[in-house]
Amino acid sequence: DAEITQSPRHKITETGRQVTLACHQTWNHNNMFWYRQDLGHGLRLIHYSYGVHDTNKGEVSDGYSVSRSNTEDLPLTLESAASSQTSVYFCASSEPGQGRDTQYFGPGTRLTVL
Amino acid sequence: QKEVEQDPGPLSVPEGAIVSLNCTYSNSAFQYFMWYRQYSRKGPELLMYTYSSGNKEDGRFTAQVDKSSKYISLFIRDSQPSDSATYLCAMKLTGGGNKLTFGTGTQLKVEL
Repeated sequence: DAEITQSPRHKITETGRQVTLACHQTWNHNNMFWYRQDLGHGLRLIHYSYGVHDTNKGEVSDGYSVSRSNTEDLPLTLESAASSQTSVYFCASSEPGQGRDTQYFGPGTRLTVL
Repeated sequence: QKEVEQDPGPLSVPEGAIVSLNCTYSNSAFQYFMWYRQYSRKGPELLMYTYSSGNKEDGRFTAQVDKSSKYISLFIRDSQPSDSATYLCAMKLTGGGNKLTFGTGTQLKVEL
């Protein structure tokens, strides 16, 4: 069965370190998204991609970067982790043109920045 | 002001109750409306999808969109303990690519 996976599921890091969160989908979807979820804010879009080599900033992109070198993966990098980036991170994918625009979410990565 | 407003709850109801979950929005260009369900420590999953105004029913779930009032609702009939989750509304613009704008989510607990 097609799926979307994230790794690691939990991560503790220190302020100033570079961190990369992995996202891998086997749906063969062109669209991929990264969100963060915080109490009182819901899901906020960090970055998204509509295909290989395409990346776009979302509403909370400062301090984050992504690159898309193939269809299956969209890694999220925190260049210099800050305590404000402690959050739960979700990756999602969807296929354009299907009308429903269903986004399929991964299980999430819980990141703590000390 | 957020584009999409949703009461965070928590909402606690007895088993068998009818539950009403709501979102309001400010951007009249939203045309596609969704409800996602998120169980604790899991990713959200699509529950209902509607286009423009009207009602859509799927089993015990009914989604309602009132574009004139910029108001959407999700009704759950005969609620079950397994319905205990956070419910997030989401919306998409026509021509806005595949980006979704989410509400903050309402936490629902259905008690025995």
